[in-house]
Amino acid sequence: DTGVSQDPRHKITKRGQNVTFRCDPISEHNRLYWYRQTLGQGPEFLTYFQNEAQLEKSRLLSDRFSAERPKGSFSTLEIQRTEQGDSAMYLCASSPGVAFDSPLHFGNGTRLTVT
Amino acid sequence: GENVEQHPSTLSVQEGDSAVIKCTYSDSASNYFPWYKQELGKRPQLIIDIRSNVGEKKDQRIAVTLNKTAKHFSLHITETQPEDSAVYFCAGPASGGSYIPTFGRGTSLIVHP
Repeated sequence: DTGVSQDPRHKITKRGQNVTFRCDPISEHNRLYWYRQTLGQGPEFLTYFQNEAQLEKSRLLSDRFSAERPKGSFSTLEIQRTEQGDSAMYLCASSPGVAFDSPLHFGNGTRLTVT
Repeated sequence: GENVEQHPSTLSVQEGDSAVIKCTYSDSASNYFPWYKQELGKRPQLIIDIRSNVGEKKDQRIAVTLNKTAKHFSLHITETQPEDSAVYFCAGPASGGSYIPTFGRGTSLIVHP
């Protein structure tokens, strides 16, 4: 089990720029989640995939955010026209199976700072 | 998450004492209730979970209890040690019938040696 890996670990960008993050889940895991975490808060759900299908997005998710998982393996999360409020830790997690009764395996996250 | 309430937000105990953290949820759809531990600067990691067909589960010094009628579940840590110091998160169902794991705001546990 090589675990969930995320790249980059840190990203500093200027307001208005686009950024893209990558997540490589545990290879046999069908489900892949993106969460966002700010200081002192729990992870906040953004979106999730079942294999290559994006099944749900948070209603709070701006249309500047888009995620893909084209081959059902790795996933990318893109933020367009970044704003200072986008500064946060972006966590990816994966889980096996097709139900919600399995634990999430988190990556180390990508810390985004928008200046 | 507003659908999952976690208390207390901070908990300070002396080494050797017990610690209890409670979560309540509003939607009874889910049958899976995990607890995660997040050390400073690290990823959240599962420490224990429970399914609705049991009321309690133990793993050494850690236990979780579930009351589905009252819609709450609790994390119990006995004989706390300084290395237990971390932020603990529960996860439960989102409201409106969604099973997506929704996290509480976290409890910062500080164990004083």
